[in-house]
Amino acid sequence: SQELEQSPQSLIVQEGKNLTINCTSSKTLYGLYWYKQKYGEGLIFLMMLQKGGEEKSHEKITAKLDEKKQQSSLHITASQPSHAGIYLCGAANTGNQFYFGTGTSLTVIP
Amino acid sequence: KAGVTQTPRYLIKTRGQQVTLSCSPISGHRSVSWYQQTPGQGLQFLFEYFSETQRNKGNFPGRFSGRQFSNSRSEMNVSTLELGDSALYLCASSLVPDGNYGYTFGSGTRLTVV
Repeated sequence: SQELEQSPQSLIVQEGKNLTINCTSSKTLYGLYWYKQKYGEGLIFLMMLQKGGEEKSHEKITAKLDEKKQQSSLHITASQPSHAGIYLCGAANTGNQFYFGTGTSLTVIP
Repeated sequence: KAGVTQTPRYLIKTRGQQVTLSCSPISGHRSVSWYQQTPGQGLQFLFEYFSETQRNKGNFPGRFSGRQFSNSRSEMNVSTLELGDSALYLCASSLVPDGNYGYTFGSGTRLTVV
């Protein structure tokens, strides 16, 4: 089965600081999704990366996909308390089963 | 357009009972998948439906079942509930099953088994 390992597991940053979350796959990536979840709520789609080297931005959040390294990184610039939550990467394998990463809990201190 | 709608939002059931959860996908989306989220196991794939057919199934016991209707709405049923079934159940819809168009998640149904 495909495994997606995220690092760090949790992150506490001061408001205004930049941060990066990584997602590494144990198998070939055919596309990588990033979601954000507030406790007990559904997942909010952030962005989807399909091609190696692809980089997408949504407001102050930027994600890149490195197919060779089987890795994606999510970078938040000038973090705000509204960025707090759990960030999950996800990927679909060749069998069309969707897997989620281990998750990164982000706390932003005002 | 309306997002993915899951009902009910919260549910409390007793061990041994059964429960049915509902998911209405985004209009036009024909693929619906279900996930269970618990603090210990994280997000786990339950099953996926497309055009009223189950295409994939995760590693869950037969007590967990689902179906999809002709209007793409899906239901998930859990019989003989156990305490360990307490979780947030999320469904996601996509245009087609291959994920190329992304998955949109509902807000989930929080099931508590007592």
